[in-house]
Amino acid sequence: GNSVTQMEGPVTLSEEAFLTINCTYTATGYPSLFWYVQYPGEGLQLLLKATKADDKGSNKGFEATYRKETTSFHLEKGSVQVSDSAVYFCALEPDPGGTSYGKLTFGQGTILTVHP
Amino acid sequence: KAGVTQTPRYLIKTRGQQVTLSCSPISGHRSVSWYQQTPGQGLQFLFEYFSETQRNKGNFPGRFSGRQFSNSRSEMNVSTLELGDSALYLCASQDRGGETQYFGPGTRLLVL
Repeated sequence: GNSVTQMEGPVTLSEEAFLTINCTYTATGYPSLFWYVQYPGEGLQLLLKATKADDKGSNKGFEATYRKETTSFHLEKGSVQVSDSAVYFCALEPDPGGTSYGKLTFGQGTILTVHP
Repeated sequence: KAGVTQTPRYLIKTRGQQVTLSCSPISGHRSVSWYQQTPGQGLQFLFEYFSETQRNKGNFPGRFSGRQFSNSRSEMNVSTLELGDSALYLCASQDRGGETQYFGPGTRLLVL
């Protein structure tokens, strides 16, 4: 079946540090890949997405590139801010040619804390 | 457009009771998915509805059920509540042919 593995957390950084959160996946075909962010007490917000190999998703200074050869979708940001403190989830949606309608498979989440 | 809305936001129930949660998708979205989020199990898929039909279901017992109405609003029901059902329940909507699910703020259920 499909699965997503994220790097172990939590991650603690100082403001303006470089961020990488690793994400690898297992899936057949060509899934779509997503990063969602969850702030305390809230639901999930879409951060960025990529739908085919070599696509780069980007938003608010965050980037991730869909690497099919390494089945990875690592999240990066060049300079984090205190306001980036949240839980980050990598997720995949199966190849639309299948029957897994509406089912996102999530990684376990990575808690990011950024100190001033 | 207004986002996905969920009601109620917080709920406290006792074991053995049942509960109904509601989700209103983004206008024009016809697919609604439900997820359970717990610290131990993370985010797990419950089911998905499209045009009032359940198209997909996760590995949850039959106590968990749902439905969708003709206006795409969806409800999920949990009967005979157990302590382990305490969780954040999230719904997400998706437009037909879209790749992205948009999530609501969730309903936090506490079972005592």
